Amino acid sequence: AQSVTQPDIHITVSEGASLELRCNYSYGATPYLFWYVQSPGQGLQLLLKYFSGDTLVQGIKGFEAEFKRSQSSFNLRKPSVHWSDAAEYFCAVGARNRDDKIIFGKGTRLHILP
Amino acid sequence: EADIYQTPRYLVIGTGKKITLECSQTMGHDKMYWYQQDPGMELHLIHYSYGVNSTEKGDLSSESTVSRIRTEHFPLTLESARPSHTSQYLCASSGNDRLGAQYFGPGTRLTVL
Repeated sequence: AQSVTQPDIHITVSEGASLELRCNYSYGATPYLFWYVQSPGQGLQLLLKYFSGDTLVQGIKGFEAEFKRSQSSFNLRKPSVHWSDAAEYFCAVGARNRDDKIIFGKGTRLHILP
Repeated sequence: EADIYQTPRYLVIGTGKKITLECSQTMGHDKMYWYQQDPGMELHLIHYSYGVNSTEKGDLSSESTVSRIRTEHFPLTLESARPSHTSQYLCASSGNDRLGAQYFGPGTRLTVL
């Protein structure tokens, strides 16, 4: 069965600084991988997704993620964060089967210092 | 514009009441999902559906029930609400592309007194 680990519960960065959120997954084959963002009291918004091909994936809002098979990682990055990026970020892994069930990590809460 | 909707956004009710949380999507997606999320916590899948007349229980046991009579509609019902049901409920759908990305509604925050 697949699983996802987000090692950092909270991350604090200054506005304008670079960001990297860590995600490690466990899956027997090449998985589908996703990053979602959730603002307080809201649903989840898909930032980006990976299936195959280029291991560096570009998403919305200036985010990117890199798939590293050797490390079973899919870390999310942004070169310069904005105060509006403060939110909860969820990494997720999906299996390639009929029901498209996705397993979510426990999330990383991003705080931005002015 | 294709989207996924949930109503109500907020609901405060007393113990023992029957409630239905509505979820509708206009994206023509076959698969739909309900998640339960406590504040600051991860999502837990409680129900999903492959299509009309198909419903399955998710990974987290729930006293709620769902139905899927129309492709676009996936309501969740609690016959007798209890304080332990207080949570946020998120509805999602996914299409037929091979990536299986799920698209979420804004959620319903339920408080049972």
